[in-house]
Order: sequence, then C-alpha cells, then structure tokens
Amino acid sequence: GAGVSQSPSNKVTEKGKDVELRCDPISGHTALYWYRQSLGQGLEFLIYFQGNSAPDKSGLPSDRFSAERTGGSVSTLTIQRTQQEDSAVYLCASSLPGGINQPQHFGDGTRLSIL
Amino acid sequence: AQSVSQHNHHVILSEAASLELGCNYSYGGTVNLFWYVQYPGQHLQLLLKYFSGDPLVKGIKGFEAEFIKSKFSFNLRKPSVQWSDTAEYFCAVIGTSGTYKYIFGTGTRLKVLA
Repeated sequence: GAGVSQSPSNKVTEKGKDVELRCDPISGHTALYWYRQSLGQGLEFLIYFQGNSAPDKSGLPSDRFSAERTGGSVSTLTIQRTQQEDSAVYLCASSLPGGINQPQHFGDGTRLSIL
Repeated sequence: AQSVSQHNHHVILSEAASLELGCNYSYGGTVNLFWYVQYPGQHLQLLLKYFSGDPLVKGIKGFEAEFIKSKFSFNLRKPSVQWSDTAEYFCAVIGTSGTYKYIFGTGTRLKVLA
C-alpha cells in the first residue's frame, strides 16, 4: 500500500523566507511525528500529533517553527523567517493507534536548503 | 539528559564478517528500544524493537539485539553480514509512559565489501 508521502522532496530557499513542508501519512494512522536530521546528527524530535492535537511539541526549536494537522490526516510544518541553521532533512513518520508500541513508518523526507 | 550514543560512526566489513554495532542510552526510567535501518535510496524502516521480556530480540534479515539493563546498552548484531546490509543504522529509545518523544542516535554507516 501507499507509504508516508512528503512534499516537496527538495526545497531551496533564501534566508528570511517562509517555507511549508507537507506530510501525508498512511491512511488510518492517527499518530504523526515530525523529525529534523541535520548533517551528521541523529533524528531530532520536533512534534507529535495524535489526531489533530499535538500533545507534545516540546521539540520545536523556536517560535519560528509551527505545525498543524487537519482532518486527522495531512500535516504541515511551517518555518517562518528561515535561517541557514534550518537547513536539514525534515522527516515525517506515522503510526497506528496504540501509542509507542506501534512502529513508526517514515517518509522519504524533505531536504531543505537555506541559502 | 536523555541521549543515545552510537560510538561507531562508520564501519566497513567484508562479506561474511560478524557485525556488532554499539548503542548506549541515558534515560531515567524504563524504556523501549529500537533499531531502524535506512538502505541507500530508501526510507527509514524498523529493524527490531525491545519492549519487555526476553532481552535478546530478533529482527528481520538475521539481525538481533541484546538489551543489557545494567550497561544501558542495546547492541545490534549479525553473525554474517551481506553486501545488501550496506545501510545506515539508527538506535532509538523512548520512555514507557507519559512521553511520545523518541530519542535517536546519530547513526552508524555500515559498508559491506563484496
């Protein structure tokens, strides 16, 4: 079946611009996660959604970062006034209901480059 | 602080060699542990997981990992690697309750020479 879909796959933008990254989870997956992977670093947790609510957004690095999820499906991660340190691969993962006992299914990521 | 350490950043092995990738974690409380793998050009996928019970867990493709609580370790092993095991391997940990925040290691790039 279809996996987690992320778009765009690559995004190059100028410093100071806003960007929106999209994640389309696997159908029926109520849990959704966003991660950031900077060069040479592990995956850094950003935010977790259960349905449309975000019980854990503790990983968002600054108030320039926000995320929403509508209809319990598609999620958008928005970065305002981008900085060069925002350059990274942004990964989305989804899982079935059941909390942390359910394995995460990852998308291919969006590679974001800030000039 | 909560963290996961993967001390081997790059590993190169010949086919049929044995593999052990180290993973140590720092986390207060009981944990669930995972190994994820990312093959070239593919997305991350679950290799194996430990929740409770037998500390030796077996995953796909002949991989296994052993949870040693006293050492805060969850090392990944495979007796005989294949060229197709070339990939990046990530260890991850999460507390068993009250959190959704997975902590990932920085990954180990494994290259297997044919």
